[in-house]
Amino acid sequence: KAGVTQTPRYLIKTRGQQVTLSCSPISGHRSVSWYQQTPGQGLQFLFEYFSETQRNKGNFPGRFSGRQFSNSRSEMNVSTLELGDSALYLCASSLLGVETQYFGPGTRLLVL
Amino acid sequence: DQQVKQNSPSLSVQEGRISILNCDYTNSMFDYFLWYKKYPAEGPTFLISISSIKDKNEDGRFTVFLNKSAKHLSLHIVPSQPGDSAVYFCAAKGANAGGTSYGKLTFGQGTILTVHP
Repeated sequence: KAGVTQTPRYLIKTRGQQVTLSCSPISGHRSVSWYQQTPGQGLQFLFEYFSETQRNKGNFPGRFSGRQFSNSRSEMNVSTLELGDSALYLCASSLLGVETQYFGPGTRLLVL
Repeated sequence: DQQVKQNSPSLSVQEGRISILNCDYTNSMFDYFLWYKKYPAEGPTFLISISSIKDKNEDGRFTVFLNKSAKHLSLHIVPSQPGDSAVYFCAAKGANAGGTSYGKLTFGQGTILTVHP
């Protein structure tokens, strides 16, 4: 079974721009969670989607948003990018969102 | 408010010996715990998990112990191999008061394990 895939792997943007990241979960998994990893804050939970609905949300500003499609693929969007948004963005999938999560390779975002 | 803590930033072990990585948590609502291994610029790789109804789980060279009264878990790797060198994260899942736990893992800050040949 193929693992979680994320595109793009690397991205460079400038302040004020917006960015969209994509995640395809493991086949059959319906829950997709997003995390941000930075050297200072570690791995922080952004939000979780299940059956196209956001079920849980972390403590991030409204500039961070996401959605999930009927095939369980998910996208996250960050608007009005700030320098502090530079991070590794990870998505993880699980069957129902209550058990082990499997992570993708991440998207490295650099904001200049 | 860090609910999951890995107090040792790094650990150095000789090949063939035991590696013990520790993790403490403060939230008594956590009911499921996981260990992940991570290389730089890659996503975390799942290693082993344990439910709060158990106190031990084994999978090959990896064993996780859970002490609920002390709110402490540990990962034992025996024997340690140079390929085990990576950052190890413990993570916990469970509902905060009034909240939902769906899809949310709370991570520790990680421990860098170096296994010397």
